[in-house]
Amino acid sequence: GAVVSQHPSWVICKSGTSVKIECRSLDFQATTMFWYRQFPKQSLMLMATSNEGSKATYEQGVEKDKFLINHASLTLSTLTVTSAHPEDSSFYICSAARYAYEQYFGPGTRLTVT
Amino acid sequence: QQQVKQSPQSLIVQKGGISIINCAYENTAFDYFPWYQQFPGKGPALLIAIRPDVSEKKEGRFTISFNKSAKQFSLHIMDSQPGDSATYFCAARGDRGSTLGRLYFGRGTQLTVWP
Repeated sequence: GAVVSQHPSWVICKSGTSVKIECRSLDFQATTMFWYRQFPKQSLMLMATSNEGSKATYEQGVEKDKFLINHASLTLSTLTVTSAHPEDSSFYICSAARYAYEQYFGPGTRLTVT
Repeated sequence: QQQVKQSPQSLIVQKGGISIINCAYENTAFDYFPWYQQFPGKGPALLIAIRPDVSEKKEGRFTISFNKSAKQFSLHIMDSQPGDSATYFCAARGDRGSTLGRLYFGRGTQLTVWP
């Protein structure tokens, strides 16, 4: 149990285009989902916290107009990187909270902007 | 400001040995302390977790030791295997306002187990 999926697993896009990443909790309902960004050999950096049916809470320094988050249901959250630029290239990982404490991560999405 | 400090940054252990990774925190409001294992190109996987009212938790070869007074916790991997070679992250769960449930991560420990 407690499986979280992400789609796509990797994506290459041209500079200036937008990319949408989906995060789904497959076998449990998640009232809260989190989006992280991870650079090579570094820790996870929280970008935003997403609660079903409400606006996401962004961490300081994260551009909310650039990283659009929608938590449409208890099993689906999406991250849209708008007008992507090469500096947005990174590994994006979502997680979903089951019960109050346990947080399960997706497999990640490798974004490369050319 | 690093909320959770993790050491060492890298660790090399011989097969069959004990791997020990340490973490320290300052915020006494943290109420849940998980450890995650991450392989290259994959998302972190929840390994084991502990609440502050417990001093030790063991699951198979993995044990968390928790010292509430010292605000420290550690992961012990017994009989370390080459397949345990990965990056390990400790974390602490916050409990404040709009960031309810968010995890604060350590910087990670790259574990290499030599056969």
